[in-house]
Amino acid sequence: GDSVTQMEGPVTLSEEAFLTINCTYTATGYPSLFWYVQYPGEGLQLLLKATKADDKGSNKGFEATYRKETTSFHLEKGSVQVSDSAVYFCALSSGGGSNYKLTFGKGTLLTVNP
Amino acid sequence: EADIYQTPRYLVIGTGKKITLECSQTMGHDKMYWYQQDPGMELHLIHYSYGVNSTEKGDLSSESTVSRIRTEHFPLTLESARPSHTSQYLCASSPWTSGGNEQFFGPGTRLTVL
Repeated sequence: GDSVTQMEGPVTLSEEAFLTINCTYTATGYPSLFWYVQYPGEGLQLLLKATKADDKGSNKGFEATYRKETTSFHLEKGSVQVSDSAVYFCALSSGGGSNYKLTFGKGTLLTVNP
Repeated sequence: EADIYQTPRYLVIGTGKKITLECSQTMGHDKMYWYQQDPGMELHLIHYSYGVNSTEKGDLSSESTVSRIRTEHFPLTLESARPSHTSQYLCASSPWTSGGNEQFFGPGTRLTVL
């Protein structure tokens, strides 16, 4: 079945540091890939997505590239801010018979200190 | 801007009480979902619906039930709450035409059963 494995946290960085959160997946066919962010006390928000191989999703300074050869979708940001402190979820949608749902990773808690 | 609402945001209730968590969306989305989020942040799909009069159980077994009488409304009911039901409950929706099954999330209901 489909699965998503993401870097375990928590991750603690200083402001302006470089961020990478690793995400790899297993899926049948050609999944769409997502990063969601959950700020404290809130629901999940879509951060970025990519629907086919080699696509790069980007938003708010965050980027992730869909790498089919390594089945990866790593999240990066060049310079994090305190306001980026949140939980980040990698997810996939594989379509076909399971196209009703997203498969999520377990989440990575990021804390950015001033 | 996603418009999906959940009420109440916080609920503290005694064991044995019947509760209903409300979820409404104004986007006309056909697909709706309920997730349970444990303290370790992991998300578990407990119910979903393809449209009016359609409800299905998700990946995690739950004692809760759902109904879908109107497109915009997807309430979740617990007939007799127990401390093991204490959790964060997140509602989400998705249109059929969404590229890659992107889901829009509500702010969540944090349930505590004493």
